[in-house]
Amino acid sequence: LAKTTQPISMDSYEGQEVNITCSHNNIATNDYITWYQQFPSQGPRFIIQGYKTKVTNEVASLFIPADRKSSTLSLPRVSLSDTAVYYCLVGDRGNQGGKLIFGQGTELSVKP
Amino acid sequence: GAVVSQHPSWVICKSGTSVKIECRSLDFQATTMFWYRQFPKQSLMLMATSNEGSKATYEQGVEKDKFLINHASLTLSTLTVTSAHPEDSSFYICSARDGQGRLEAFFGQGTRLTVV
Repeated sequence: LAKTTQPISMDSYEGQEVNITCSHNNIATNDYITWYQQFPSQGPRFIIQGYKTKVTNEVASLFIPADRKSSTLSLPRVSLSDTAVYYCLVGDRGNQGGKLIFGQGTELSVKP
Repeated sequence: GAVVSQHPSWVICKSGTSVKIECRSLDFQATTMFWYRQFPKQSLMLMATSNEGSKATYEQGVEKDKFLINHASLTLSTLTVTSAHPEDSSFYICSARDGQGRLEAFFGQGTRLTVV
């Protein structure tokens, strides 16, 4: 399973755009990139998933360069409620029994 | 998205007793569920993979006799912490995939176990 590396923590202010980058140098051809959000004492929540280029949904965008060795989660105009830990995971979409291994995650703190 | 429900949300038990945690997929069938534990300020650590109708696969270093996993149906997996000790106090989280070709897993709300 590909190992991921993220910044341990980030600070931001309300209304700003936040970009969290994840490195996954050993990503395999069949691997997808998925980001989760976790609030204290809750299970992780799916944010977004992608394979290449750019993916956008109602809460975030995911940018993946051509070599796929990194990815950037972009949160537009963050609010205080976006304070959470964000995890980047890579894995095989077709392997339904495949394990999801969490890295250390990025603790995002949004200040007023 | 699919819903995974975990019960109880929190539990306090005495040392030496056993505690059972349930994980249910409410609107889909899950042939595979995963169990994690999480200590404060740390990431999720995968404990085991629970397979419906067969034995669970445990990660290295996880005691299978202490953390009993049963996956008796396509919608229910249970984790039993046997002879609990204070060091077993942690946040336990289950997850499952809905088998629809999506990578994302759906997580339960977690169970806070405190052993006194």
